[in-house]
Amino acid sequence: DIQMTQSSSSFSVSLGDRVTITCKASEDIYNRLAWYQQKPGNAPSLLISGASSLETGVPSRFSGSGSGKDYALSITSLQTEDVATYYCQQYWSTPRTFGGGTRLEIK
Amino acid sequence: QGQMQQSGAELVKPGASVKLSCKTSGFTFSSIYISWLKQKPGQSLEWIAWIYAGTGGSRYNQKFTGKAQLTVDTSSSTAYMQFSSLTIEDSAIYYCARDTSGYFAYWGQGTLVTVSA
Repeated sequence: DIQMTQSSSSFSVSLGDRVTITCKASEDIYNRLAWYQQKPGNAPSLLISGASSLETGVPSRFSGSGSGKDYALSITSLQTEDVATYYCQQYWSTPRTFGGGTRLEIK
Repeated sequence: QGQMQQSGAELVKPGASVKLSCKTSGFTFSSIYISWLKQKPGQSLEWIAWIYAGTGGSRYNQKFTGKAQLTVDTSSSTAYMQFSSLTIEDSAIYYCARDTSGYFAYWGQGTLVTVSA
């Protein structure tokens, strides 16, 4: 199974900050990488697929980048509604696997 | 806009089985893949399996082979997951999601399964 590692389990950030969340795969996943946002009590919501393709309706302050094994989700100018847990997920191979999640908190 | 509506919370005894449902709307049901995922409180997500609604063909995470069984009812556009021989470790929220080439753009609201004597 491909292991997905998110380097930080939590971040304490200020409103308006730029935030970058990283995700590393245990092998090349050829950009088959999705990012999800999950707020407490809700199902995850897809933000990005294909490493960098923003889903319709997702604010443009979100962006994805990376290749090979290393990927990142960036949020420019953090808003209150962005406080959530973010997960990366690879879909290059089965089983699909998720990172452990990165929780954003406001300072 | 597609939607996925899951069945309500379940309280089951250890050793029992449970069958969860996921009713879809707004999709051409026979053309979609549906995955099921598990999330324990405060933890990340695990992919259990997918099923292709058109044929009933499926693929399982080896970890859940023999534990989970997926089926569909095309007449009601509903997917089902039966989870057997439940233990306390199976207590979790279970989600169905539309599987689009491996990622998940549409999700059900989740079903909480609590295994307790």
